[in-house]
Amino acid sequence: EAQVTQNPRYLITVTGKKLTVTCSQNMNHEYMSWYRQDPGLGLRQIYYSMNVEVTDKGDVPEGYKVSRKEKRNFPLILESPSPNQTSLYFCASSSRWRGQQETQYFGPGTRLLVL
Amino acid sequence: GESVGLHLPTLSVQEGDNSIINCAYSNSASDYFIWYKQESGKGPQFIIDIRSNMDKRQGQRVTVLLNKTVKHLSLQIAATQPGDSAVYFCAENNAGNMLTFGGGTRLMVKP
Repeated sequence: EAQVTQNPRYLITVTGKKLTVTCSQNMNHEYMSWYRQDPGLGLRQIYYSMNVEVTDKGDVPEGYKVSRKEKRNFPLILESPSPNQTSLYFCASSSRWRGQQETQYFGPGTRLLVL
Repeated sequence: GESVGLHLPTLSVQEGDNSIINCAYSNSASDYFIWYKQESGKGPQFIIDIRSNMDKRQGQRVTVLLNKTVKHLSLQIAATQPGDSAVYFCAENNAGNMLTFGGGTRLMVKP
């Protein structure tokens, strides 16, 4: 089954304790992306990756890191989480076609609470 | 379920009626648009897309209309069903590498 998976689905942590949220897709997609979703602010892009070893900042990259060492995986790293990073996080992937982005498939989401 | 938005515009329709959800986009250079549906506790799910060289595209029970003159996008759902209840987002892409999402509209279907 074609899918995007994220782990963990729920996470409670404390300020400053490094954490990683994993994302994996089995569709051989080149493009992967992370979003955060907050009430009243909708979905905002954190980072994206066009392909292996290629990553770029989105709208709200501060406080986050990503890596793309393999095509299927795109982990989101919070080196020193802060309470304002409490949010619902979504990973997404898509193929590219004729140079244009195709529709993105989203993972189930990770609910993060930073105390 | 997950809270998607506390103050989303809400559209309430009777089961069987048609629904129209509107979206104003911001970038006149955007050339690809997508509608997503998000149910409580789930990630956004692709519904339909349209490229800027079209002004209408139809899917199964859904139609997207694009008016580039006024930068307006709409999603029409025919014979709305209770399973259509969700938050609907439009997203725009300007041939770059990022999607920009609208704030979302909550659709509530009354049986």
